[in-house]
Amino acid sequence: NAGVTQTPKFQVLKTGQSMTLQCAQDMNHNSMYWYRQDPGMGLRLIYYSASEGTTDKGEVPNGYNVSRLNKREFSLRLESAAPSQTSVYFCASRLPRTGGVGRETQYFGPGTRLLVL
Amino acid sequence: GESVGLHLPTLSVQEGDNSIINCAYSNSASDYFIWYKQESGKGPQFIIDIRSNMDKRQGQRVTVLLNKTVKHLSLQIAATQPGDSAVYFCAEFNQGGKLIFGQGTELSVKP
Repeated sequence: NAGVTQTPKFQVLKTGQSMTLQCAQDMNHNSMYWYRQDPGMGLRLIYYSASEGTTDKGEVPNGYNVSRLNKREFSLRLESAAPSQTSVYFCASRLPRTGGVGRETQYFGPGTRLLVL
Repeated sequence: GESVGLHLPTLSVQEGDNSIINCAYSNSASDYFIWYKQESGKGPQFIIDIRSNMDKRQGQRVTVLLNKTVKHLSLQIAATQPGDSAVYFCAEFNQGGKLIFGQGTELSVKP
């Protein structure tokens, strides 16, 4: 299994440009997440999808949109990029299980490094 | 609101020594916590977790301690190795199914 994969690995955008970050998982997980990580800070949740067909806002959703294309894929779109969106973006997935320690573990992709000029 | 924070941003230890990384949380209703390790250029990787009905859990060379009275948890790494150098995050799993991350502690291991 490849786990969680993200494309692209790196991207440079000009202010106002748009782009879509792709994420896919092959673990048959129900829930998927998009986070951003800024220097000296932990991960902050942008959007998540508890299951196929549903999406919800996280802590910092402004300036972003998401699409849960199917169970495997969850994309993040920047419609009009701003320098404040320069960050490292991580996608994660998890398979909620009932009972037992470790049931809520999220598995993370390698990240997409985005620079907005 | 919920917040999870770490006491120190950096920690430097000698190879072979034990490391202790601390974390404080604010939501007394939190019942599940996870420690992640993030190496440079990579995504966070699960290390160990603990539920609120436990005060200690051990893994391979790692131990997590939970003190609910003072809302504090710690990660202990025994016989720290150069490969343990990374940023360590504690995370709290809230009732809404979301992870709340702390800021992270960067562990450096000196040979």
